[in-house]
Amino acid sequence: GAVVSQHPSRVICKSGTSVKIECRSLDFQATTMFWYRQFPKKSLMLMATSNEGSKATYEQGVEKDKFLINHASLTLSTLTVTSAHPEDSSFYICSAWTLGDYGYTFGSGTRLTVV
Amino acid sequence: AQSVTQLGSHVSVSEGALVLLRCNYSSSVPPYLFWYVQYPNQGLQLLLKYTTGATLVKGINGFEAEFKKSETSFHLTKPSAHMSDAAEYFCAVSANDYKLSFGAGTTVTVRA
Repeated sequence: GAVVSQHPSRVICKSGTSVKIECRSLDFQATTMFWYRQFPKKSLMLMATSNEGSKATYEQGVEKDKFLINHASLTLSTLTVTSAHPEDSSFYICSAWTLGDYGYTFGSGTRLTVV
Repeated sequence: AQSVTQLGSHVSVSEGALVLLRCNYSSSVPPYLFWYVQYPNQGLQLLLKYTTGATLVKGINGFEAEFKKSETSFHLTKPSAHMSDAAEYFCAVSANDYKLSFGAGTTVTVRA
């Protein structure tokens, strides 16, 4: 089946630095990628939707300058958390959508800790 | 816009007992409905989905769900719980904007 590889699985960074999270669709082309944030014991909150070759669409309240999303190819989407602060610590998950079987394939998530 | 309500944030069952997780949705258009399972520090795994056709949907690991339009429900069941079913379960709905809206989640614990 479809697989989305998400890296890194865990990252610790210092406050003020930037962190990049990658999601790759391994055996299919992901025209649309969704990025979610999940707080402990909470549901998934949609941050943004990215389509290959175009600018990401951010949900209300999500800072586009802090959470930079790039979807330069049909197999790779990246989320960069810029000037990270402790409040950005969270679990980030990507999801690729495919029209063929109307399915969403999720990455394994990235645990970000900002110290 | 669509939304999902999962009734019960925590369900505890005995091993071998029925698992029933409740999900109600609202959608202005015919919905696509999903159930996902999440283990700690992992992504989401699809259990089953309803798009069109048969309203009783069978998924992986013995789970099934029934789409009831009149009740706007998509409850998830499994006849006999196994210890490995202990996890977080999310119901989700999408409509014509392809965005998934998730319920708050239900934590399932299984007692030996």
